Amino acid sequence: GESVGLHLPTLSVQEGDNSIINCAYSNSASDYFIWYKQESGKGPQFIIDIRSNMDKRQGQRVTVLLNKTVKHLSLQIAATQPGDSAVYFCAENTGGFKTIFGAGTRLFVKA
Amino acid sequence: EAQVTQNPRYLITVTGKKLTVTCSQNMNHEYMSWYRQDPGLGLRQIYYSMNVEVTDKGDVPEGYKVSRKEKRNFPLILESPSPNQTSLYFCASSLWGFSEKLFFGSGTQLSVL
Repeated sequence: GESVGLHLPTLSVQEGDNSIINCAYSNSASDYFIWYKQESGKGPQFIIDIRSNMDKRQGQRVTVLLNKTVKHLSLQIAATQPGDSAVYFCAENTGGFKTIFGAGTRLFVKA
Repeated sequence: EAQVTQNPRYLITVTGKKLTVTCSQNMNHEYMSWYRQDPGLGLRQIYYSMNVEVTDKGDVPEGYKVSRKEKRNFPLILESPSPNQTSLYFCASSLWGFSEKLFFGSGTQLSVL
C-alpha cells in the first residue's frame, strides 16, 4: 500500500449506499492480499482476503477485487451501515514473513 | 475465546526508563509480530518471531528488543525509551506467519515524555 502522508483519505457515504475503498499496492511479487477494519480504540480486524490467482472474492456484504496489471485492490461494501464506520487497511504479503500495510482509508457513514 | 492480549493498554513514561509491553496469545500460533502505528503511516513492523527462540527484525527495529521464550508470549522491550517512540503499538499473531491473516491485540498507547 502507498503512504498518503499525515491525513488519511476519507470516504463519506450515505447509509444504505455501497462503498468502494481503493488501494494501490507496491510489490508486483505480492501474492496474498488482505483487508482489515480498525474501529476506534481497537486493533485491526480481518475482513476478507484474496490470493493472486483470483480476481474477485466475495464475503458477507463485502467483495474484494484484485487487478494485478495495475497493482490495484478494492474493497466493496454493500448496503453500508453505521457500524461500518472505521479505518480500512489493505495489506500485501509476498509469501514471506512480512505483511506490508497501506496507510488506510477512513470511512464515514452518514445516517 | 481466541485472542491476543496486550498489557498495559496505556502507558506514560519518561525518557530512558526501561519498559516492557507484554503480549500473549492463546491460539497456539507459531508466528507473532509487533507493529507500531503512527498517523498517516499505517502499521510498520518492528520485530517478528517465527517460533520459540527465533526472532527477526522488521522495518523499524531500532530502539526495541523482543524475546520469545515461550510460544504464547512475545514481549516488546524498550531499554531506553525516547520521545520518538511515542506511538500506538500492536501485537499480532498467526498460525504460520506467511500468506495468512493476522490476529491483533487491542493496542498499547505509549507516551514517552
